[in-house]
Amino acid sequence: EAQVTQNPRYLITVTGKKLTVTCSQNMNHEYMSWYRQDPGLGLRQIYYSMNVEVTDKGDVPEGYKVSRKEKRNFPLILESPSPNQTSLYFCASRASGSPPEQYFGPGTRLTVT
Amino acid sequence: AQKITQTQPGMFVQEKEAVTLDCTYDTSDQSYGLFWYKQPSSGEMIFLIYQGSYDEQNATEGRYSLNFQKARKSANLVISASQLGDSAMYFCAMREFETGANSKLTFGKGITLSVRP
Repeated sequence: EAQVTQNPRYLITVTGKKLTVTCSQNMNHEYMSWYRQDPGLGLRQIYYSMNVEVTDKGDVPEGYKVSRKEKRNFPLILESPSPNQTSLYFCASRASGSPPEQYFGPGTRLTVT
Repeated sequence: AQKITQTQPGMFVQEKEAVTLDCTYDTSDQSYGLFWYKQPSSGEMIFLIYQGSYDEQNATEGRYSLNFQKARKSANLVISASQLGDSAMYFCAMREFETGANSKLTFGKGITLSVRP
């Protein structure tokens, strides 16, 4: 089954404790992105990757890091989480051509206390 | 200016009736795509329908159709024969193919739809 998987699905952590949210897709997609969703703001892009070893900032990259060492994986790293990073996070992927839609993972609900 | 505007407050519709969810957009690109996603209470993002800026016909996918009015820069989602399972948050999104080469989807703030039995 074609899918984007994320782990963990839920995470409660404390300020300053480094964490990684994993993302993997099995569709051989070139493009992968991370978004965060906050009430009243919709989804905003954090980082994206156009292919292996090619990553760049989205609209809200502060406090996050990413890497793309393999085509299928695109982990999101929070080196020193803060309470304002409490959010619902989505990983997404899409092919370079058609179909045009992005496929989203199930989401990771992160709470930083 | 916001690129995607969804201004309707929570929407209510009677089961089996049709409902229109509004979306207006702003871009200077000539080539762009418009998307609608559904987010049920379980949280996942479900792709519903896509309209390319050069598509001459309005997109349709089952009970979903997109009323695309390019001159007005609107891309309203029409759901026919509403079902209880249609109760969810609905997001309109846009990808700009000229200035937005990074694959970013720009999302609106969403509209909550509740279907009454």
